[in-house]
Amino acid sequence: EVQLVESGGGLVQPGGSLRLSCAASGFTFSDYWMSWVRQAPGKGLEWVANIKEDGSEKNYVDSVKGRFTISRDNTKNSLYLQMNSLRAEDTAVYYCARGGIQCGQFRCWGQGTLVTVSS
Amino acid sequence: DIQMTQSPSSLSASVGDRVTITCRASQSINSCLNWYQQKSGKAPKLLIYAVSTLQSGVPSRFSGSGSGTDFTLTISSLQPEDFATYYCQQSYSTSFTFGPGTNVDIK
Repeated sequence: EVQLVESGGGLVQPGGSLRLSCAASGFTFSDYWMSWVRQAPGKGLEWVANIKEDGSEKNYVDSVKGRFTISRDNTKNSLYLQMNSLRAEDTAVYYCARGGIQCGQFRCWGQGTLVTVSS
Repeated sequence: DIQMTQSPSSLSASVGDRVTITCRASQSINSCLNWYQQKSGKAPKLLIYAVSTLQSGVPSRFSGSGSGTDFTLTISSLQPEDFATYYCQQSYSTSFTFGPGTNVDIK
């Protein structure tokens, strides 16, 4: 069974940092693009970043460029999102999703981890 | 960036109704259009990909159509478990934008 399990969310002050992790199982992790998608409370879905199978290509939504870094460790079947200089508007549930290749789809999702940026 | 719009933003319908949701892209996205269903407090679920291909396990009452910039999700006979929010999403550009969502609730 394909499973994605996020962790690392929590309460952080504005300007602070947080690192999210996503543990993948049930499929060959290194064969897939992976993405982070977020959802602010009561709002819609927003794609945040994606990373190619071997980590050689990464893309970001404009609002997080220069602040967030997506990475992966294929030996540990894990995806990461390093979030720096956090702002109140980054408050959201962050989902790990399998997919992110152009003209592809997000076929599998984790349960999400909540990040709250507040003083 | 490609902008996605959806209409209506919400609708009320009864069990058995035929429901249609429209999604429009700000430029042509070929067939790179997907639909997701999200229930409260849950992760989104892929319903339809590449405009009209039903994801495995999704009931056949769901269907998708369209091309270029205009797309439609249709539920032929609304069931109690279909009350949820529906999002379209383009994957034509590397910034995978979602539509704002359509909330389907019980009339």
